[in-house]
Amino acid sequence: AQKVTQAQTEISVVEKEDVTLDCVYETRDTTYYLFWYKQPPSGELVFLIRRNSFDEQNEISGRYSWNFQKSTSSFNFTITASQVVDSAVYFCALNPILTGGGNKLTFGTGTQLKVEL
Amino acid sequence: NAGVTQTPKFQVLKTGQSMTLQCAQDMNHEYMSWYRQDPGMGLRLIHYSVGAGITDQGEVPNGYNVSRSTTEDFPLRLLSAAPSQTSVYFCASRPSRRDRASYEQYFGPGTRLTVT
Repeated sequence: AQKVTQAQTEISVVEKEDVTLDCVYETRDTTYYLFWYKQPPSGELVFLIRRNSFDEQNEISGRYSWNFQKSTSSFNFTITASQVVDSAVYFCALNPILTGGGNKLTFGTGTQLKVEL
Repeated sequence: NAGVTQTPKFQVLKTGQSMTLQCAQDMNHEYMSWYRQDPGMGLRLIHYSVGAGITDQGEVPNGYNVSRSTTEDFPLRLLSAAPSQTSVYFCASRPSRRDRASYEQYFGPGTRLTVT
């Protein structure tokens, strides 16, 4: 069975602070993809990043960075110098390729990030 | 491209009523899925399809039917709505495995359903 745990239900920070959102996953698949999605108050799901299980390189995109560590089954997301516009719910998701055929995304329960002035 | 579209955006049903949530995509994607989002539970897979004429169950299929007669459309049917089906429903699609970026799912804007 697949499982994604986002232990942080809600995080509040002051603008310009750095914040890290944790994601821990469980799967027996050796081939899988991990994703982060952003859900702003308007409700749509915005794709942020995709990472496959064979690529452990960390990635940086502007103020966003991701730390993928297979040894600890974690795929953490850091926002540097947070802004009010970063306020949203963030979801981590796992897509197992062998057992799920790439068709069964398992989502975490999400982390509500509130960035205040 | 319009991407993935869903109609309606909002719907209120009474217990026992039936309705169909529409989902369409214009990207010629083979794979389509339906998820529901409930507070504190993330998104959960209801049904999915790997191509026209082929569907399968996800994690929470009870109370829902699907069919896939064309590549573009993947409607979700509630035959007898129950209050437990109050949720936000998202449709998603992705390309075939032949596409290098195939495992990214493209989500529609969602349908907010309330069953009273």
